[in-house]
Amino acid sequence: GENVEQHPSTLSVQEGDSAVIKCTYSDSASNYFPWYKQELGKGPQLIIDIRSNVGEKKDQRIAVTLNKTAKHFSLHITETQPEDSAVYFCAASRALGNEKLTFGTGTRLTIIP
Amino acid sequence: DGGITQSPKYLFRKEGQNVTLSCEQNLNHDAMYWYRQDPGQGLRLIYYSQIVNDFQKGDIAEGYSVSREKKESFPLTVTSAQKNPTAFYLCASTFRGPGELFFGEGSRLTVL
Repeated sequence: GENVEQHPSTLSVQEGDSAVIKCTYSDSASNYFPWYKQELGKGPQLIIDIRSNVGEKKDQRIAVTLNKTAKHFSLHITETQPEDSAVYFCAASRALGNEKLTFGTGTRLTIIP
Repeated sequence: DGGITQSPKYLFRKEGQNVTLSCEQNLNHDAMYWYRQDPGQGLRLIYYSQIVNDFQKGDIAEGYSVSREKKESFPLTVTSAQKNPTAFYLCASTFRGPGELFFGEGSRLTVL
């Protein structure tokens, strides 16, 4: 089955700086890669996703890049703000259905004011 | 307001007792899921259901049971057979097929 590794497990950045979280996956057939943000005491929420037919996707301060050859994808957050502090999860699947979604172990991002 | 509601938020249980966690959604989603979240681990799938009266085991179904008698509801029972039940449990729903999962706020179960 799919195996997703996520790094780093914790990340602290100064407010206004950029943050990058990286994930690698094992199944070359995976083609759907979402990122979820989980705030304290809440359920995760989708912030961005990418499918394998594109290499990069942006949504305001958030971007995701995908390298299918190397089997890794990354989340980039620019101009970080205190409200970006949360746990971020990457995931991968063959896009057959969410039951095949494999999550990474999460990154706790702390923005230092 | 459309959403997915889990209850209770916190639950304490003695060893040997079964406990049922509630999950209700009013998003008209077909599929519902139960995940378990442990510190330092990703979300792991316990059970899922894509249609009423049908459900499938996920990766860690042992010691758990579910039912799907109504489209809106997908309760999870943590049985006494679950060896390590203390965890944070998340319910999610979506339309059929891959796409955004909508999560509830979770239920934290502690076994004393």
